[in-house]
Amino acid sequence: AQSVSQHNHHVILSEAASLELGCNYSYGGTVNLFWYVQYPGQHLQLLLKYFSGDPLVKGIKGFEAEFIKSKFSFNLRKPSVQWSDTAEYFCAVFSGGYNKLIFGAGTRLAVHP
Amino acid sequence: NAGVTQTPKFRVLKTGQSMTLLCAQDMNHEYMYWYRQDPGMGLRLIHYSVGEGTTAKGEVPDGYNVSRLKKQNFLLGLESAAPSQTSVYFCASSYLVLADEQFFGPGTRLTVL
Repeated sequence: AQSVSQHNHHVILSEAASLELGCNYSYGGTVNLFWYVQYPGQHLQLLLKYFSGDPLVKGIKGFEAEFIKSKFSFNLRKPSVQWSDTAEYFCAVFSGGYNKLIFGAGTRLAVHP
Repeated sequence: NAGVTQTPKFRVLKTGQSMTLLCAQDMNHEYMYWYRQDPGMGLRLIHYSVGEGTTAKGEVPDGYNVSRLKKQNFLLGLESAAPSQTSVYFCASSYLVLADEQFFGPGTRLTVL
């Protein structure tokens, strides 16, 4: 079955620490990849997306993600987190072959001042 | 431009009661979706619509019905609520295709006693 795995369910960091959240998926073939963020009390919003081209994608608020096709991965990174990055982060993968968008279970990030 | 709105924001139901959740979007999007979000499980697609007058089943459709009588509205109905339907429900829309970025509403927190 198609699946999207986010390895870390909870991450706690101090401000200025570096962040990397893992995302792996189980499909082959062409995929569209997304990271969404849900700040406390707010709705989900798009952080960044990859459809094709440069596998290193830059998003809003200093986030970036790298698509590594051979590893079926799309990890999210930020060099220096801020308290305002406290949120839940969801990886999502659309597979053209299956015509489905599947979300990972999410990673809750808490950044302490 | 309000984006995607949902009503109500909160609701408590007793087992066996019925209710309808309303989603509205003002972005002229063709595609609309209903998801449920449960702890540790990410977002799961309940039903979706590819245009006015059309609906299709998603990953977890049982116990729910939907209607898309107008392009801007997408209704989710629970005919006989069960405690297993306690969840947070999100509506989303996208411009053209399932593979595109989705815009989310603020969510409806439903508790079934």
